[in-house]
Order: sequence, then structure tokens, then C-alpha cells
Amino acid sequence: ETGVTQTPRHLVMGMTNKKSLKCEQHLGHNAMYWYKQSAKKPLELMFVYSLEERVENNSVPSRFSPECPNSSHLFLHLHTLQPEDSALYLCASSQTGRYGYTFGSGTRLTVV
Amino acid sequence: GESVGLHLPTLSVQEGDNSIINCAYSNSASDYFIWYKQESGKGPQFIIDIRSNMDKRQGQRVTVLLNKTVKHLSLQIAATQPGDSAVYFCAEKRGGADGLTFGKGTHLIIQP
Repeated sequence: ETGVTQTPRHLVMGMTNKKSLKCEQHLGHNAMYWYKQSAKKPLELMFVYSLEERVENNSVPSRFSPECPNSSHLFLHLHTLQPEDSALYLCASSQTGRYGYTFGSGTRLTVV
Repeated sequence: GESVGLHLPTLSVQEGDNSIINCAYSNSASDYFIWYKQESGKGPQFIIDIRSNMDKRQGQRVTVLLNKTVKHLSLQIAATQPGDSAVYFCAEKRGGADGLTFGKGTHLIIQP
């Protein structure tokens, strides 16, 4: 384990469902991130939270809604997704002002 | 579009040989670079990093070279082993931004 835990590891959902992805870090970091990894494409930064405030939102559709209740937990709420949203969703954490980023193992999402 | 890219999607090497994986970036404001290794079913794992005020950094069996003149980054793996088989990504951090920008990745294949 890397210190960043993501659940569930796999998720299959219909386009009308609502689900949430969870990320928890045990490293004492104060910044957390959501990335999307699709086949044949680079990792795409979705959201950045620093000190529990969202500081970056890279034009992500509103059907993805992040939540960061504290510095150790990060959620990604999903609703009315499209099949093209199927991908590996990765969470990462870091300490602001320092350079190390640690990733979780990801949630493999399939939208049917 | 992306500013961090890799020259080859796939690199095949003989076990025991040295591997060199290349990456080009286009943003002169980037001040920090990381190489990640991603094995099947896992999240990206940190290998080595380098700041823009350096041109070379060595780790255990790995060396990262940074050429700011031509905006080129490379990862050298000495005496490649079967366990090195994975997809390797370079990533850059741009100035005050918190998130990393990734390239597409090179799949390193080790031949016996």
C-alpha cells in the first residue's frame, strides 16, 4: 500500500445511477487530487484541493462533483455519467510546498 | 494540448541491457519533473524526480537527465530486469500550479 487508499477498486454503474468514489490518505498531506486515466491518453488532472479548498477545476463536466471534508479524505460524486466516462480514476496526495506526489491504486469505473 | 510527451509508445529491451526512455516538454516555466512507473492494475509509483536547477540525478539503478535547452527529459534504467516491465510516465509541475501534467507513457517490454 502506498498510503493512499481508494475504494471501491472496481465499479460498474448505469447512466442513471449515482455513486461515489472515496480516497483516503494516511500520509499527513494537505493537498489531494483527482486524475482520470483513459486508454491511449495521458493522465488528466480533474480537481485539486489544497488545505481542503478547491483550487483547480480543469473544465470537468458537472456530472462529476468533488468533495473534500478534511485533509485526509476526498470524494468524487458521480451522477448521470456517459459511457465515455469509463476510465481509471486515480487519487493522489501531496504536501503543499513539497514535491512528492503519492497515488492510490485507482477505481476502475465502467459506465453501461 | 499536452505539453509533456514521450517519443515512443513502446520500448522493447533485452533483460540485462540498459533502457533509456525519453520525454519532451514544451513549457519553459516547468520547474519540477517526475518519472512514474505504472504496473498493470496499480496506480503510478514514484521512481525519481528532478528540479529544474539540476541536470542529472541518480537513484538506485535509475538516472534522470534534464536538458533544459532542448526541453528534454530522459530516464535511464541500468541492467533492466523483468520487474521493470511497466508503463513509464514523465510528468511536469508548472510554477505555482499544484497539479502535475503527464505525458502519454512508454510501455517498457523486457525480453528474456
